[in-house]
Amino acid sequence: ILNVEQSPQSLHVQEGDSTNFTCSFPSSNFYALHWYRWETAKSPEALFVMTLNGDEKKKGRISATLNTKEGYSYLYIKGSQPEDSATYLCAFEAAGNKLTFGGGTRVLVKP
Amino acid sequence: KAGVTQTPRYLIKTRGQQVTLSCSPISGHRSVSWYQQTPGQGLQFLFEYFSETQRNKGNFPGRFSGRQFSNSRSEMNVSTLELGDSALYLCASSFLGDLNSPLHFGNGTRLTVT
Repeated sequence: ILNVEQSPQSLHVQEGDSTNFTCSFPSSNFYALHWYRWETAKSPEALFVMTLNGDEKKKGRISATLNTKEGYSYLYIKGSQPEDSATYLCAFEAAGNKLTFGGGTRVLVKP
Repeated sequence: KAGVTQTPRYLIKTRGQQVTLSCSPISGHRSVSWYQQTPGQGLQFLFEYFSETQRNKGNFPGRFSGRQFSNSRSEMNVSTLELGDSALYLCASSFLGDLNSPLHFGNGTRLTVT
């Protein structure tokens, strides 16, 4: 059973502040690392799919980095806004295309 | 382009019954995967289909089964329902189901077993 851990489980951020959180995954048999944003009452939405060690991706105020050798990825939110409130999920894709999701980090941005 | 469509949105069943959930992927997407989410658990992988073939299977009992049709639509069946099967079931499609293919999720079917 693959272990994909996200920390913290939840965090409260003041509007305008920046924040980041972690996804840890096995460093062997790596194929890709996915990030999804899941807002309440909506379906999960893809943010990034990262495949290369050292990869950095950016979408607006959200960015992510990847370290496949040590098995972690960081997601950063710059200048948090209330609309960033959501659960952020990472998913480890092993060779064979099976995705294992972490438990998520629930972000609440306070105005 | 229409998104991933799951039907029904809500379902209430009794223990021992069986249920079939449906998923229509985005047009052109050939990979469909199914996930279960229960309170306190992350998304648990059920199975993945590609071109009508099951490519991957999660650690669920044989009561959980699925299939994919030639038009890529997929169905998931759960037989002999148990209370613990109450969950949100999400379906996701992707273009090729391989590297760099993000998942596109449907809105889910919320199943309640009483």
